[in-house]
Amino acid sequence: GQNIDQPTEMTATEGAIVQINCTYQTSGFNGLFWYQQHAGEAPTFLSYNVLDGLEEKGRFSSFLSRSKGYSYLLLKELQMKDSASYLCAVRVAGANNLFFGTGTRLTVIP
Amino acid sequence: DTGVSQDPRHKITKRGQNVTFRCDPISEHNRLYWYRQTLGQGPEFLTYFQNEAQLEKSRLLSDRFSAERPKGSFSTLEIQRTEQGDSAMYLCASSLEWGGASGPYNEQFFGPGTRLTVL
Repeated sequence: GQNIDQPTEMTATEGAIVQINCTYQTSGFNGLFWYQQHAGEAPTFLSYNVLDGLEEKGRFSSFLSRSKGYSYLLLKELQMKDSASYLCAVRVAGANNLFFGTGTRLTVIP
Repeated sequence: DTGVSQDPRHKITKRGQNVTFRCDPISEHNRLYWYRQTLGQGPEFLTYFQNEAQLEKSRLLSDRFSAERPKGSFSTLEIQRTEQGDSAMYLCASSLEWGGASGPYNEQFFGPGTRLTVL
């Protein structure tokens, strides 16, 4: 079976940095995605990792370690609009769908 | 074309009724996915199409559920004899898959979803 673990909730202060961790155990691996989802809205793509290392994209960075089955999403210079759920999703080798974690609800406070 | 669209955005129905949802993907995308999301959970995969062919179905997709993509463009998801447990957000996503390789170009773009409430 497939399993993805993320913290359920996190709180951080405006202007700060927050790291959202994701660990996965899947039967094969073919890429890890991070999506942002505001309440009542569709998930929107943030980042993609398939090789080990850090991918940086503006205020957002994502890291992957395939040997550890571990990824994190780093959000810098937090803004109030970053309050949302962050979904970690794995594309399993040989499959075409994404397997999602339950998401981490981030609340940014002033 | 500004993205994936879904219709209706909200549907309230009584238990036992049939419902149908529509998804219009990004026009050049050849893959279309259906997911279901309940409160506090991540999306769960239901089925996907490559052009008009339905290539994979999840075990979550009971025989009350059927999906079509007749011309390889829009898709419909029908739920027959709805049950209260079917209440969820139904998300559609599309992607452009090419060359058999996976990469950021295989990003799935999600629609706004159809929220189904079964009374």
